[in-house]
Amino acid sequence: KQEVTQIPAALSVPEGENLVLNCSFTDSAIYNLQWFRQDPGKGLTSLLLIQSSQREQTSGRLNASLDKSSGRSTLYIAASQPGDSATYLCAVRSQAGTALIFGKGTTLSVSS
Amino acid sequence: DGGITQSPKYLFRKEGQNVTLSCEQNLNHDAMYWYRQDPGQGLRLIYYSQIVNDFQKGDIAEGYSVSREKKESFPLTVTSAQKNPTAFYLCASSISGSREAFFGQGTRLTVV
Repeated sequence: KQEVTQIPAALSVPEGENLVLNCSFTDSAIYNLQWFRQDPGKGLTSLLLIQSSQREQTSGRLNASLDKSSGRSTLYIAASQPGDSATYLCAVRSQAGTALIFGKGTTLSVSS
Repeated sequence: DGGITQSPKYLFRKEGQNVTLSCEQNLNHDAMYWYRQDPGQGLRLIYYSQIVNDFQKGDIAEGYSVSREKKESFPLTVTSAQKNPTAFYLCASSISGSREAFFGQGTRLTVV
């Protein structure tokens, strides 16, 4: 059974720092991987989707990479800002037509 | 203004009552999903539906029921058989069972 792990569970950084959030999954045979952001008490906002055939995706200050063979993905946030403070969730889809399986998230706090 | 609408935002249930959470989307998406989120936990899948009139159980379907009579609607009923229903419920949809998933703003259910 696919399991998704995100380490660390929480992270605090000063404004302006570049940072990396980690996601690992136990079964490397995935269809795609999606990163989300969640603000307290809110729904999830999609950040990036990486197909299994892709190595990375970029959107603004965000860059997500995928290494299927090692079962890892990273979300790189450049020049962090206080507005980036949120919980970041990683989710994998094992096969087409199945639902996403989520990690527990990393809660990021960026101080000004 | 396309999106996923969950209602109500807050819901209170008495012991022994059934309650229904609404999820409507106007994105013309085929696939819809229900997840449950508890503090410190990742999202756990309750039910999902790939097409109208068809749905599959997720990891924690016991005590819940769904219907998919229309493409745009996927209501979730929390029955009295669900022993610990207090949680944050999130609905999602995707254009197919393999593409990027989008989430609603959630319903917080509390048993009183």
